[in-house]
Amino acid sequence: KAGVTQTPRYLIKTRGQQVTLSCSPISGHRSVSWYQQTPGQGLQFLFEYFSETQRNKGNFPGRFSGRQFSNSRSEMNVSTLELGDSALYLCASGLGGETDTQYFGPGTRLTVL
Amino acid sequence: DAKTTQPNSMESNEEEPVHLPCNHSTISGTDYIHWYRQLPSQGPEYVIHGLTSNVNNRMASLAIAEDRKSSTLILHRATLRDAAVYYCLAGSGNTGKLIFGQGTTLQVKP
Repeated sequence: KAGVTQTPRYLIKTRGQQVTLSCSPISGHRSVSWYQQTPGQGLQFLFEYFSETQRNKGNFPGRFSGRQFSNSRSEMNVSTLELGDSALYLCASGLGGETDTQYFGPGTRLTVL
Repeated sequence: DAKTTQPNSMESNEEEPVHLPCNHSTISGTDYIHWYRQLPSQGPEYVIHGLTSNVNNRMASLAIAEDRKSSTLILHRATLRDAAVYYCLAGSGNTGKLIFGQGTTLQVKP
């Protein structure tokens, strides 16, 4: 079974631009979550989508948004990029239950100049 | 989700057992304890989880204290490939929202 895939793997943007990251979950998984990882803040939860609905949301500004499609693929968008948005963005998928294993992708490394 | 406390770093010798501790004194009765690890340049990967009883799988064992306020992840024979950041998480509800702490960086010496 193919793992979680994220595209692109690396991205360089400038301040003020917007960016869209994509995540393809493991086949059959209906939950997709997004995380931001930085050296200073560690791994922080952004949001989770389950069956095309946002089910959980972390404490990030409204510039961070996401969506999930009917095939469970998900995208996250960051508008008006700031230098502090430079990070590794990780996507994870799962079945959506209480003890289900979360499977993480390799991440997208975003650099904002 | 309960706050978890882990040592910042630990060292181990290859092929020796490793005991990684985690404190979660504010854990509620419905909170599961999950362990994930992150190898260098990779996303986190699931290790093990449990509620009350000790758990074993092919990767590790999880020992949960009787009062559930602490737990220990046990790697029975550390290998160089086990060098990673190990995260202990405690929470209930769906696992789509994982709250990570700082984790323990495990170094394995040959």
